[in-house]
Amino acid sequence: GAVVSQHPSWVICKSGTSVKIECRSLDFQATTMFWYRQFPKQSLMLMATSNEGSKATHEQGVEKDKFLINHASLTLSTLTVTSAHPEDSSFYICSVRPLSYNEQFFGPGTRLTVL
Amino acid sequence: DAKTTQPTSMDCAEGRAANLPCNHSTISGNEYVYWYRQIHSQGPQYIIHGLKNNETNEMASLIITEDRKSSTLILPHATLRDTAVYYCHLSSNTGKLIFGQGTTLQVKP
Repeated sequence: GAVVSQHPSWVICKSGTSVKIECRSLDFQATTMFWYRQFPKQSLMLMATSNEGSKATHEQGVEKDKFLINHASLTLSTLTVTSAHPEDSSFYICSVRPLSYNEQFFGPGTRLTVL
Repeated sequence: DAKTTQPTSMDCAEGRAANLPCNHSTISGNEYVYWYRQIHSQGPQYIIHGLKNNETNEMASLIITEDRKSSTLILPHATLRDTAVYYCHLSSNTGKLIFGQGTTLQVKP
């Protein structure tokens, strides 16, 4: 399967700052990547679908100007949490669906803590 | 996405087979059954998928009933490292995965 990395693996920031999380597909090209968020003891929640070369599609209830997504290449998607607040503290996970695959391969996740 | 239902939790003794059921009574003819798992504080991991025939790989076996309305993931010799939340999904044209609560499998020594 595909190897997916995320950077950073964890980050602590002050309220009001913006945080960028990178998701890289290391061995497959991916026109589509997905971003999820997971609160403690809850399941993953799909936030948005990231499409290379076009605008991301955010799920209902996920503010696109709050959670900026850029998918500039076939191997890199970034999620920027703008003006982060403590309620944005969560585990953010990306996934890759390589061309010719139906399954998704997930990154290790990024734990964001907003003070 | 068509819905799947899974038990909330299960226990299994180390070294024994873990059988995790999933109901998907509204599955349509061209939908695959996918299984993923998430070990605590890690990203989910793909396990296996199938359409109608039973499938086996190095991680698990997938048994799909003839009417395709349910399936069972089998971990033949569960280890403590198999303790995780197991998710059963159906494929979708959009590629999206909508996660339910899954089954929390606790493997006990």
